[in-house]
Parts: sequence; structure tokens; C-alpha cells
Amino acid sequence: TQLLEQSPQFLSIQEGENLTVYCNSSSVFSSLQWYRQEPGEGPVLLVTVVTGGEVKKLKRLTFQFGDARKDSSLHITAAQPGDTGLYLCAGDRGSTLGRLYFGRGTQLTVWP
Amino acid sequence: NAGVTQTPKFRILKIGQSMTLQCTQDMNHNYMYWYRQDPGMGLKLIYYSVGAGITDKGEVPNGYNVSRSTTEDFPLRLELAAPSQTSVYFCASSYSAGSTADTQYFGPGTRLTVL
Repeated sequence: TQLLEQSPQFLSIQEGENLTVYCNSSSVFSSLQWYRQEPGEGPVLLVTVVTGGEVKKLKRLTFQFGDARKDSSLHITAAQPGDTGLYLCAGDRGSTLGRLYFGRGTQLTVWP
Repeated sequence: NAGVTQTPKFRILKIGQSMTLQCTQDMNHNYMYWYRQDPGMGLKLIYYSVGAGITDKGEVPNGYNVSRSTTEDFPLRLELAAPSQTSVYFCASSYSAGSTADTQYFGPGTRLTVL
């Protein structure tokens, strides 16, 4: 069983469209991280959200942490081909070991 | 800083063979992790270490072993390779955990095929 459920698994859109990726759980997390991974490379951290209800913006990307700290979303405005990649959410349950629980990922393809 | 480096980048093994995946970080991070990534399955934690001489099992440790004799190195050993171990393996490191998980820095991965 997956602690974090990500949806959708695949997303194929045209340049300029908006999209939202969801990361849901029945468990509470101390923080949630979003990573982006390109083919042949390791994941790279985009953002960490810590406080329930928190919203963080990174240019055209908006990240939100649910009030109950059980879910998160990533919204991309006016997607560009450079946004193409695998987006992974990862939750921290508050241990001192830095252990993260990853979702299965959303493969985003943005066509010009 | 090179960050996290992994070798080899690709490897094909026969069933029953053994190999060691190397991982080195030059950021003086205490915490290091080994993950495997299978298509559509995200990242699964194999083993982790919170400092030299200290290791522990993650979610999917069977068939693997690790050691951490220095802060910089965290090799992953496969003793008797099986087709189920075909995967992409990522090593990661972080400075500390603190009250919330610190950023994990990932290596470029090792793509392993067991035939």
C-alpha cells in the first residue's frame, strides 16, 4: 500500500494550459516536499511546505499544503515544454531520521 | 562540489552474480539513503544511515546490504542478483533531519538489469 497517493499518474497537455497534480493521504505529515525528475537524472527538490494551509509560489508553480497536513497540490499556470518531467511528492512523518515517503509520481508532458 | 556521485551508471548482471553500487557525497552530510525506482512506483527506501557506523533497514531491504565506514561513502551490496532487482537505484544525502526533513540531494542513478 502507498502512503501517499498521487494523481493523475500521467498528464499530457498543450503549451499554455493550466494543470493541477494532487498528493493525498490518510496520514498526517510534518512536511511535504515536491521533487521534479528529468530522464536519466535524480529528483531535484522544488519546494517544502510545512504549515497546514501554507501556499508557496515558485514562478508559475503554486504549491499548497492542506489544512490538516494530509494532502498537497501542485498547480502549474501556463505550462511550458520545459515543465515536462516526473513530479514526485514526498512526505515526512516527523521522525528524526529524515525518512521520506514518496508518491508514485505524475509524468507530465507539455507539447509545444 | 560534485554533490552525490554514483558508479556505475549502467550495469547488466546475470542471476546469482554479486556487485556493489558505489555512492559518494562531498557535502559532509550525515544522512544517506538508498532508493530503488521502478516504473510507476515512485521511490522505495532500501537502507539508510544517520552517520558513519550506523545503518538501518528501509521499506525494501531484502537482497541488499550496506555499510557506512566513512561520512562520504555509502555502498550498496547485492549478493545474489535476482531479476526482481532490475531497477534504477538512487543514492541521496541530507545534512540533518531536524524537526522537518531536510532537502535530499540525489545522485544521477545506476540502471541495473539482471538477466
